[in-house]
Amino acid sequence: DTEVTQTPKHLVMGMTNKKSLKCEQHMGHRAMYWYKQKAKKPPELMFVYSYEKLSINESVPSRFSPECPNSSLLNLHLHALQPEDSALYLCASSQDQGGSLAKNIQYFGAGTRLSVL
Amino acid sequence: AQKITQTQPGMFVQEKEAVTLDCTYDTSDPSYGLFWYKQPSSGEMIFLIYQGSYDQQNATEGRYSLNFQKARKSANLVISASQLGDSAMYFCAMREGERQAGTALIFGKGTTLSVSS
Repeated sequence: DTEVTQTPKHLVMGMTNKKSLKCEQHMGHRAMYWYKQKAKKPPELMFVYSYEKLSINESVPSRFSPECPNSSLLNLHLHALQPEDSALYLCASSQDQGGSLAKNIQYFGAGTRLSVL
Repeated sequence: AQKITQTQPGMFVQEKEAVTLDCTYDTSDPSYGLFWYKQPSSGEMIFLIYQGSYDQQNATEGRYSLNFQKARKSANLVISASQLGDSAMYFCAMREGERQAGTALIFGKGTTLSVSS
């Protein structure tokens, strides 16, 4: 099973709203990722959690706040977003438990399509 | 400088024909992994195939094969016997190094493949 589950699939929010995106995996993976993807562009890395600790933050604005409550769950809290934040938000996970890390395939969820009005 | 280059914005192929999607990469790390992902219009990023820098043989997964030419730094994806369901955006990606957990993927700009009947 290589499933990464993201909820919700679609989200429409106003600029003053607070919402959260959720990502879950039960593959025992120890690294989890948030990517942002605009239409017809490659995904852009936002955050990486490794062993439940934030290891990479790609200078993401503070209106995006990640959280990793446990090794299976990753949240992205959204507050005071701008219309330009509308995008597909992808979560991924990889094993990263020894051996050649290059072999640790990242498995992606289906994404959350976010529209900020 | 771009680390992953996909020079074909769009490719067109007829059903049952083979198609090659080009990817070149640039890295000074001797240990790296190369990945191909498929992204249909639904948005999910689907892992297709992996090639490690030390792998002696080209990777194959069903109708997908990776033509790995290390000296040329190329990792082209070959899809045999194209199907209508292969119509999607295809991304080549690279992950460098073995040392750090949670290392992010570096994506190319993608190639849109259209398969016609």
